Amino acid sequence: EVQLLQSGAEVKKPGESLRISCKTSGYIFTNYWVGWVRQMPGKGLEWMGIVYPRDSDTRYSPSFQGQVTISADKSITTAYLEWSSVKASDSGIYYCARQTLVRENFYYYYFMDVWGKGTTVTVSS
Amino acid sequence: EVVLTQSPGTLSLSPGARATLSCRASQSISNTYLTWYQHKPGQAPRVLIYGASSRATGIPDRFSGSGSGTDFTLTISRLEPEDFAVYYCQHYNSSLLFTFGPGTKVEI
Repeated sequence: EVQLLQSGAEVKKPGESLRISCKTSGYIFTNYWVGWVRQMPGKGLEWMGIVYPRDSDTRYSPSFQGQVTISADKSITTAYLEWSSVKASDSGIYYCARQTLVRENFYYYYFMDVWGKGTTVTVSS
Repeated sequence: EVVLTQSPGTLSLSPGARATLSCRASQSISNTYLTWYQHKPGQAPRVLIYGASSRATGIPDRFSGSGSGTDFTLTISRLEPEDFAVYYCQHYNSSLLFTFGPGTKVEI
């Protein structure tokens, strides 16, 4: 069974560093992109970026480029989302998800098929 | 960059009713790159439709997707109590940059 297990809730003060994790199992980690999605309180889903664990290729939404770092450790099949200095506006729920590739009739489709349960991040002074 | 607009913002319906959700892109996009997700409070999102019209594994056939160009639709033929949720369309491009629409809330 494919599973993505996210690290627990975090409470941080502005300016602190933070790294949350997404431990995967049940599939070949290096064959799939892993992505991160934010949901701020009372708001919609925002796609942040993805990482390809095989070669650490990363793609970021322009909204998050330079604001966070997405990475992966093949040796422990874990993806990470990291901030060097959090702000109050970083508070929210962060989901990781496997980005699967489906090939049908000569077409290729990417979508997030398996998700973690989310990590709640609270940044407050 | 493609911007997605969803309408209505909120859809108030009763169980058994038909729900029609719209997703409009700021420019013409390939059907290949349009996905629909369902998100319930306290749960992880779930993929419903990929490639604009293909149901993901395990998704009931009351969910269907259609459309092309700039206008896409998610239809729920007969609402079940568990279908009340927020629905998002998502677009991606050939560089694997993704974006979600703002969502449509389907409420009782």
